[in-house]
Amino acid sequence: DAGITQSPRHKVTETGTPVTLRCHQTENHRYMYWYRQDPGHGLRLIHYSYGVKDTDKGEVSDGYSVSRSKTEDFLLTLESATSSQTSVYFCAISETSRAYEQYFGPGTRLTVT
Amino acid sequence: DAKTTQPNSMESNEEEPVHLPCNHSTISGTDYIHWYRQLPSQGPEYVIHGLTSNVNNRMASLAIAEDRKSSTLILHRATLRDAAVYYCILRLSANAGGTSYGKLTFGQGTILTVHP
Repeated sequence: DAGITQSPRHKVTETGTPVTLRCHQTENHRYMYWYRQDPGHGLRLIHYSYGVKDTDKGEVSDGYSVSRSKTEDFLLTLESATSSQTSVYFCAISETSRAYEQYFGPGTRLTVT
Repeated sequence: DAKTTQPNSMESNEEEPVHLPCNHSTISGTDYIHWYRQLPSQGPEYVIHGLTSNVNNRMASLAIAEDRKSSTLILHRATLRDAAVYYCILRLSANAGGTSYGKLTFGQGTILTVHP
């Protein structure tokens, strides 16, 4: 299995508080992605990174920011969490030559009350 | 962007073959066809991909129609562990290493139930 960990695995927070989710990889892969998964919507791409300090928006990026200061870490921040951001968040990684073959982490279940 | 259409759900019996269809009538000549699956309580995992020719790997086979407007993922002998949501995804061809090279758009997928 690809070395991907996500932390925390579960989190409950209140509306209006900032939240940061961490994705850590030990594979030295170039590409990293953040998705959210909600019933009825499937997986939707939030942000992705194609290198250190190189990031771009996905289809549902509003309300989220990301940072990647090291190859191994990709952080997703909710500046001011809202109930609509209650979801399961998945991180994924892929290597340059086979970027379409993404390896997913175990997911983080975030509940915003 | 080209879209895919999959049945919401399918059922199969253990050790029987399963054919999961996907329609993509608006596919462009440079779109690759990918399949991922998601086991319960896990993140998705890559299954197979192809462009024009049929493809086989240890997990499954991918049969692509000659006009590329549809494809079928084939599980040769379903096991209980194959019960999952199967996603058919189109990926626009892009240069390897490019900024959007790995971008995938997941749809709703097909829920596969495997009966003992």
